[in-house]
Amino acid sequence: QVQLQESGPGLVKPSETLSLTCTVSGDSITTFYWTWIRQTPGKGLEWIGYIYDTGKTHYNPSLKSRVTISVDTSKNQVSLKLTSVTAADTAVYYCAKESGSRGLLSIYFDPWGQGTLVTVSS
Amino acid sequence: SSELTQPPSVSVSPGQTARITCSGDQLGDKFVCWYQQRPGQSPVLVIHEDSKRPSGIPERFTGSNSGNTATLTISGTQAMDEADYYCQAWDSSTAWGIIFGGGTKLTVL
Repeated sequence: QVQLQESGPGLVKPSETLSLTCTVSGDSITTFYWTWIRQTPGKGLEWIGYIYDTGKTHYNPSLKSRVTISVDTSKNQVSLKLTSVTAADTAVYYCAKESGSRGLLSIYFDPWGQGTLVTVSS
Repeated sequence: SSELTQPPSVSVSPGQTARITCSGDQLGDKFVCWYQQRPGQSPVLVIHEDSKRPSGIPERFTGSNSGNTATLTISGTQAMDEADYYCQAWDSSTAWGIIFGGGTKLTVL
């Protein structure tokens, strides 16, 4: 059974870089697509981006200039970096395993990690 | 349009049927999935590919999708079903692809 656990600082100063890690257990990160999603009270759920095949990425165009997703296969971890953060980046950040079939135009996320709240404030 | 619209709230009495809708342009041409999010918890997949239930999800959760509207139906609603529900689809014609509905708060009165 796949389990995901996000970790990282809960408080980040404006203009700095948000860095989070998702540790995956029960599955190899080299096999599937791994996604970051965030949730804010104002904007709801927002897809940030994914990584697959240990290095191929695709990002939400609205965040693309500030986002980097990477993997550490030795630790079975997926990382998220978001630069130049503002208060608008305050959110609960989730990592999730992508399931379904792109060939069938079906994508869904299962399971999700427990999420980690990141507050951007000085 | 790549937006999914859900009603902000739906109320239902215990034992009754709750229906939560998700509307979008030609949504019936896309696969829709649904997530349940209880307070303080992360989302849990309850329906994928319009109407398929993952292992462990009760049979009272069903889904349908046609035209511009997908519907999550909860039959015999229980107090434990009180949660936020989100629809999600993949629009392969857009650069971002993944789209979520705004969520519906289900209240079991």
